[in-house]
Amino acid sequence: NAGVTQTPKFQVLKTGQSMTLQCAQDMNHEYMSWYRQDPGMGLRLIHYSVGAGITDQGEVPNGYNVSRSTTEDFPLRLLSAAPSQTSVYFCASSLRRRNTEAFFGQGTRLTVV
Amino acid sequence: AQSVTQPDIHITVSEGASLELRCNYSYGATPYLFWYVQSPGQGLQLLLKYFSGDTLVQGIKGFEAEFKRSQSSFNLRKPSVHWSDAAEYFCAVGANNDMRFGAGTRLTVKP
Repeated sequence: NAGVTQTPKFQVLKTGQSMTLQCAQDMNHEYMSWYRQDPGMGLRLIHYSVGAGITDQGEVPNGYNVSRSTTEDFPLRLLSAAPSQTSVYFCASSLRRRNTEAFFGQGTRLTVV
Repeated sequence: AQSVTQPDIHITVSEGASLELRCNYSYGATPYLFWYVQSPGQGLQLLLKYFSGDTLVQGIKGFEAEFKRSQSSFNLRKPSVHWSDAAEYFCAVGANNDMRFGAGTRLTVKP
């Protein structure tokens, strides 16, 4: 049972580059979310999806895009990387609503130089 | 929107000692409450959750938490800490189809 799988685990980008963080879940969960984790700030919600074809913004959406073409996949795109986007990114999924138990991936540590 | 406060950024306890991590929330009604643990380089793992009913909930790894409505608190406890409990602990509040996390408490365990 894989749960939530994120790739890559580590990434270094140059300022201005773009990239996609991948997230896949095999639990048939409706809800998926992307968070960033920064020291002393806990987890902050970037974008979320309530089902295939439906996405919405969270607390800190600027500089990021998402799409949800299937139930399983929820990629996060950085359009033009900035040093302020250096962070650890977590993908999570929930069976029903986002305010119920979330299952997290292992995280992607991104450094923008 | 709801908010969560974890007053302690870092706590150090000796192995075998008891542990209490504090969590306070702000929300008009009773939200869903969670504690997660994050080991270094790992994702978050659910320790326990409270939705309703008995205010003392048991979780994995010997942890428990008590919901106190009058204090808007959901503190995490363990009677005897093991070295493997060293990690970061996050309290979370679910309400209005949203989930908010506290800033986390880092636990160090002394031998």
